[in-house]
Amino acid sequence: GAGVSQTPSNKVTEKGKYVELRCDPISGHTALYWYRQSLGQGPEFLIYFQGTGAADDSGLPNDRFFAVRPEGSVSTLKIQRTERGDSAVYLCASSLRGVGEDTQYFGPGTRLTVL
Amino acid sequence: QKEVEQNSGPLSVPEGAIASLNCTYSDRGSQSFFWYRQYSGKSPELIMSIYSNGDKEDGRFTAQLNKASQYVSLLIRDSQPSDSATYLCAVNSYSSASKIIFGSGTRLSIRP
Repeated sequence: GAGVSQTPSNKVTEKGKYVELRCDPISGHTALYWYRQSLGQGPEFLIYFQGTGAADDSGLPNDRFFAVRPEGSVSTLKIQRTERGDSAVYLCASSLRGVGEDTQYFGPGTRLTVL
Repeated sequence: QKEVEQNSGPLSVPEGAIASLNCTYSDRGSQSFFWYRQYSGKSPELIMSIYSNGDKEDGRFTAQLNKASQYVSLLIRDSQPSDSATYLCAVNSYSSASKIIFGSGTRLSIRP
């Protein structure tokens, strides 16, 4: 089956604009994660969904960031009033059950550039 | 102190030798430990996971865990040029078992 997919692969926007990043997890995976990776750093946890609900959103940096997963499959990460510091690769991952030992499978990422 | 610490490298190892990658973590309650490989411009891929003290071997890879010392390592035997990548150590958070904390990675370069 298909892996995790993310769209768009690249997004260039201007400071102050709104962006949406989409993640399509592996079919049947109940857990979905969003990470942000800056150059030379490891992925930084943002939010974790179990089904439709956000089980842990402690990594969202501020209230400009919001994510939804309305039907327990596709998720959208929304960033309002983008800032240059938001520029990074946004990675999505999914796992079968979301327990600690589960393997997280990563998508190819969306490279966000805020000018 | 960072939650997961790794030497950023680069670590240069001759082809055929053993590459040794190290990681320390601060959350004593962590239960799950992972090594991911990330090629430049690509997303991370899981290569090893370990949950109990001791060694776990998978092909050319061996993960070692010492919870008392809060230390995880990855050994790559018979290193190949294709092993050149950044290796990310990741640890689950005790407070939220499904939350994974990544180190900043060690760049490994295998020289022919």
